[in-house]
Amino acid sequence: DTGVSQDPRHKITKRGQNVTFRCDPISEHNRLYWYRQTLGQGPEFLTYFQNEAQLEKSRLLSDRFSAERPKGSFSTLEIQRTEQGDSAMYLCASSLLVYEQYFGPGTRLTVT
Amino acid sequence: SQELEQSPQSLIVQEGKNLTINCTSSKTLYGLYWYKQKYGEGLIFLMMLQKGGEEKSHEKITAKLDEKKQQSSLHITASQPSHAGIYLCGAAPDTGANNLFFGTGTRLTVIP
Repeated sequence: DTGVSQDPRHKITKRGQNVTFRCDPISEHNRLYWYRQTLGQGPEFLTYFQNEAQLEKSRLLSDRFSAERPKGSFSTLEIQRTEQGDSAMYLCASSLLVYEQYFGPGTRLTVT
Repeated sequence: SQELEQSPQSLIVQEGKNLTINCTSSKTLYGLYWYKQKYGEGLIFLMMLQKGGEEKSHEKITAKLDEKKQQSSLHITASQPSHAGIYLCGAAPDTGANNLFFGTGTRLTVIP
């Protein structure tokens, strides 16, 4: 049983650099979500895809963030001109039913 | 905006003891979702509760939903070290939402 996978698991970058994360959802899941989690907090919703269409974006998703899901399969989340405040765990989840979401292991981003 | 408050924030119990974690919503609940997270990892889906009075069990973990009180409880019987982690409750912000928002979590430590 293949779950949600994310790559890389850890990323350290210097402020101002661009970073890109990848998420591979469970194959039959048409819904894909990105969340961000900081230490001691629950995950915060960033964006949602149904198939290849990005249907919802949180106010947390500033114009430095962009997400894609070409062909409705894997998804990428890019952060341009990273800032120290972007340091967090970036979690991807996928689902068939809207709320029964299955999460990946996350990508931990550290901006120095 | 809706908030989910979890109590206690942290819990240390001796192996074999029972424990309860509570999740209270500031607004009407449209379903309540329990997840477990090991430190630094992704979330593992535990249970989904959708109707008032609903109760579900998985192994030694039981969750109940009290819609009137806008509250859910998670009860672990005869705790084991494998139960240690962060327990998060999640809810949909409204009936048409495509995302979950989460409480800040309860950190459970089980002492062998």
